[in-house]
Order: sequence, then structure tokens, then C-alpha cells
Amino acid sequence: GAVVSQHPSWVICKSGTSVKIECRSLDFQATTMFWYRQFPKQSLMLMATSNEGSKATYEQGVEKDKFLINHASLTLSTLTVTSAHPEDSSFYICSARDWGGASYNEQFFGPGTRLTVL
Amino acid sequence: QKEVEQNSGPLSVPEGAIASLNCTYSDRGSQSFFWYRQYSGKSPELIMSIYSNGDKEDGRFTAQLNKASQYVSLLIRDSQPSDSATYLCAGNTPLVFGKGTRLSVIA
Repeated sequence: GAVVSQHPSWVICKSGTSVKIECRSLDFQATTMFWYRQFPKQSLMLMATSNEGSKATYEQGVEKDKFLINHASLTLSTLTVTSAHPEDSSFYICSARDWGGASYNEQFFGPGTRLTVL
Repeated sequence: QKEVEQNSGPLSVPEGAIASLNCTYSDRGSQSFFWYRQYSGKSPELIMSIYSNGDKEDGRFTAQLNKASQYVSLLIRDSQPSDSATYLCAGNTPLVFGKGTRLSVIA
């Protein structure tokens, strides 16, 4: 299957700082990537759909000015959590579809980034 | 967001038994369905995809889709302790997940 990586795998930051998370498709081109967030013992919540070369589409209730998404190339999307606060502490997971592959409809997930805001 | 519903469990089965996981969905327009497995603290891993009515088998896993009744299921044969995880179903793209079903396989 297609491989998606994320960096960093975990990060601890102070309240008020910004944190950037990278999501890369390693062996395929991803015109669309997705960002999810998961709090402990809860389900994955879709935050936004990231489209290469255009603005991201955010789900209802997700602040676009707080969670900045940039999809500048076919293999890289970034999520920046601006002015992070303790309530932003969560597990952030990206995924991507391999549009050019045989399994074009399948979404492959990165390993996730655990963010802790002190 | 489009809804999928799963019994959150936990579902406990003895080792070697068949585990049956079920999911219903509300969007009749959904064309494709996926089962993911998520271990605690890890990201989801795709284990099965199904697009047509009927059964699809892959090793110990069988996915079943019934579009008329709007449900999709996953059977795990010869369940192993390593199958203990949360199983998530989702349809279409972008994937929207329910709470998942927690499976516990008891040795």
C-alpha cells in the first residue's frame, strides 16, 4: 500500500506558540490530503481537506485561522497549529488518497503526531 | 458529516472464534466502504475495502456489503489476541468515522 509519513511524531510546546506538522506521501502523488484529530478514547474527527494548489476546506467548527493548512506540492501538506493552548493537545493524523493507483479510493494514514501543549 | 453507526462494544471473543463487527450507514449514495484497525495510541490501518454488494475475503477477514439494507460487516475468523483493537468502518471520501468497535480476543 501507499506510504504516508508525518513529522514530528510527537511535540511538546508552550502555550501560545505555533507548531507545524508535516505530512508527506512517500511513493505516490496526493492531490488531496486530509487532516484528522483524535482525543483520548474518542473517534477520529475530520478537521479539513487539503487540496494541492488551493485553499483547504474546513469542517464545521474548525477554526481556519487557528489551524493553517498549506498543500504546496503533490507530496506535502502542512498543518500549523497557531497560538496553541492546552485544549489543542491531541493526536493529529493525516491521510492521503493515491489517485493514480489501483486503489484510488482508499485513504492511507500517516503514523500521527502527538501534540502536548503545556 | 455523513454518519456511520457502530456498536462501540467492547466485543469479547475467545481465541479461535469468529468475531463479527457491524456497521450501518445513512448515505445511500455511498459507493465504497472501508474497515480500518486502530491499535491504542496508533493511527488507523486499512484492512479491507469493499465496493460491491456481497462478500469479499482476504485471509482471515471477510467484508460483507448490503447496500439495500445499508450495512457493512467484517468477520474475523480464527481470532487471535493480536486482533484486539478498535475497528472502524467508513464510507466514501473523505472518510468520516464512527466511534468504532473495540474488540478483545481472550486467550
